[in-house]
Amino acid sequence: DAKTTQPPSMDCAEGRAANLPCNHSTISGNEYVYWYRQIHSQGPQYIIHGLKNNETNEMASLIITEDRKSSTLILPHATLRDTAVYYCIVSSANAGGTSYGKLTFGQGTILTVHP
Amino acid sequence: GAGVSQSPSNKVTEKGKDVELRCDPISGHTALYWYRQSLGQGLEFLIYFQGNSAPDKSGLPSDRFSAERTGGSVSTLTIQRTQQEDSAVYLCASSKREGRYEQYFGPGTRLTVT
Repeated sequence: DAKTTQPPSMDCAEGRAANLPCNHSTISGNEYVYWYRQIHSQGPQYIIHGLKNNETNEMASLIITEDRKSSTLILPHATLRDTAVYYCIVSSANAGGTSYGKLTFGQGTILTVHP
Repeated sequence: GAGVSQSPSNKVTEKGKDVELRCDPISGHTALYWYRQSLGQGLEFLIYFQGNSAPDKSGLPSDRFSAERTGGSVSTLTIQRTQQEDSAVYLCASSKREGRYEQYFGPGTRLTVT
C-alpha cells in the first residue's frame, strides 16, 4: 500500500472549517483514500473514503487532486468533539491480494479544536 | 444497531500466562480484522478473516499469537506465554465485506502484562 504523509498537528477554531492535508504521491490506480479518526481512548472511527472523485457525507468532505497524489479532508464546522487524531490511509481494494482491506495506519494528524 | 463489542475491556496478566481476547462483530459483517495499538508502535494490523478463513496473517508478531473465527461471527485472539511487550490495546473491526468497505471498530481490550 502507498505511504501517506500528514502534518503531525493542526489547530482549528470552533465553528470554522478544518482542512487536513494528506500526501500520497505513490498511490496506484486501484488504491482508495480513506480517512479515519480516533478520539482519545476510543477505537478508530470511519469518516469517508474515495477513489477519484470528491466525496461528501454527513461528517466531512474529501477533496482528491486530479493526479490523486494528495487529498484534503474538510470538516466544515469544527466542534470541540472533533478534537482527535486523524488518519489518512491508502489501501488496495483488489480481491486476491494480501492487503485486501487491510488498513496501515501512520502517525496521523492531531487536530485540536479550540473554543 | 449494536456495534462491535470486545471483551474483556481490561486484562491484567502475569508474564508467561495465556490470554484470550474476544470480538463480537456487527451482525452480518463477513470481514473481521484485528489490530493492536501500543505506545511505541502506533496502530498495527495483525490478521483478518473473511468468513472463517484467515487469508492474511502477516501482522501476527510471533507464533505465540493465534486467532480463530467460528460460525462466521465471533473471533478469539489468543496470546500464549505473554511477554511484557505484548502490553497494548487490542482492537477488533468488522466490515460488510473485505476490501473497500468501511471498518467499524470496537472499543478495544487493554492488555497489561506484569
